[in-house]
Amino acid sequence: QQQVKQSPQSLIVQKGGISIINCAYENTAFDYFPWYQQFPGKGPALLIAIRPDVSEKKEGRFTISFNKSAKQFSLHIMDSQPGDSATYFCAARGYGGATNKLIFGTGTLLAVQP
Amino acid sequence: DTAVSQTPKYLVTQMGNDKSIKCEQNLGHDTMYWYKQDSKKFLKIMFSYNNKELIINETVPNRFSPKSPDKAHLNLHINSLELGDSAVYFCASSPFPGEKLFFGSGTQLSVL
Repeated sequence: QQQVKQSPQSLIVQKGGISIINCAYENTAFDYFPWYQQFPGKGPALLIAIRPDVSEKKEGRFTISFNKSAKQFSLHIMDSQPGDSATYFCAARGYGGATNKLIFGTGTLLAVQP
Repeated sequence: DTAVSQTPKYLVTQMGNDKSIKCEQNLGHDTMYWYKQDSKKFLKIMFSYNNKELIINETVPNRFSPKSPDKAHLNLHINSLELGDSAVYFCASSPFPGEKLFFGSGTQLSVL
């Protein structure tokens, strides 16, 4: 119940294409769903996040789609660029007040080919 | 100014040694964390501190001892290092527990 399942493990997309990464969860108590981007040798950086009361959030070329009934959410990267090549992690937060913690998916290595 | 800084960036040591990693954040956040990233890139929370108090301890071996001298600092001391401790350790901070985490650049620990 504390897991977040992420797919695919790796993804190759042509420049200008759409990258799609999917995540699924079981715990209905999760209340916050961020996506993090990690470049080699760096720490993960918050990209975009959504709460379960909305079905979609868009920031620039990045969009989160959220399906509460299916307990799934996905990241869409429009017009993918070589600079987007990185590892992407979805995450979910369990609501427990001060003991809230982020549980991460297993990561997706994205390569955008020029 | 780096928001979350941790030192050292690389740590190479022998089995059985004791080592420490230091972390400082200048974001004014109340919550700080240690995460471990293994060779498969899996990120797992180890500890969380809120206002200098330990609030999450994820069944980490007691060879790992975090210490928070103040809200801006969180250190990690590891005793009797084992081969399996080799990983990248990330410090992070956030304004609210479990939300909007800012990560440091990591400490690559290699135990030989």
